[in-house]
Amino acid sequence: EVQLVESGGGLVQPGGSLRLSCAASGFTFSSYWMSWVRQAPGKGLEWVANIKQDGSEKYYVDSVKGRFTISRDNAKNSLYLQMNSLRAEDTAVYYCVHSLNYWGQGTLVTVSS
Amino acid sequence: DIQMTQSPSSLSASVGDRVTITCRASQGISNYLAWFQQKPGKAPKSLIYAASSLQSGVPSKFSGSGSGTDFTLTISSLQPEDFATYYCQQYNSYPNTFGGGTKVEIK
Repeated sequence: EVQLVESGGGLVQPGGSLRLSCAASGFTFSSYWMSWVRQAPGKGLEWVANIKQDGSEKYYVDSVKGRFTISRDNAKNSLYLQMNSLRAEDTAVYYCVHSLNYWGQGTLVTVSS
Repeated sequence: DIQMTQSPSSLSASVGDRVTITCRASQGISNYLAWFQQKPGKAPKSLIYAASSLQSGVPSKFSGSGSGTDFTLTISSLQPEDFATYYCQQYNSYPNTFGGGTKVEIK
């Protein structure tokens, strides 16, 4: 059974940093692209970033370029999202996604003073 | 960036109704289109990929069609468990983009 478990969310002040993690199991993690998708409270879905199987290609939505970094550790079956210079508009539930089909339960990031 | 426009943004329907949701891309995306269902407080659930392919385990009352710029999601006979918000997403090019969502409510 595919499982994706996010962690690392919480309350952070504007300008602060946070690192999200996603622990994957039930599939060959190293064989798949992985994604982060977010959803602000009461709003729609927004794709954030993708990373290739070996980490050699990464893509970001414009609003997070230069501030967020997606990475992975295939030996640990883990996906990460390093978020720096956080803004109020980054407040959202962040989902780890595999192949568009499997989603984690999400982790809430709140950026507020 | 490719803009995805869903219509309607909301609709009211009765149990047993046939419902169609439209998603239009601002430029051609071939068939790189997925549909998701989301219920309040839950993660999205994948319904369809490649515009018309049903994900494993998804009931056949859901169907997708289209190619290029115009796509539809159809629910053949709406059931109580189908009341939710539905999103389309293009994955033809980066940034991958979602439609604004269609909320299906009980009439």
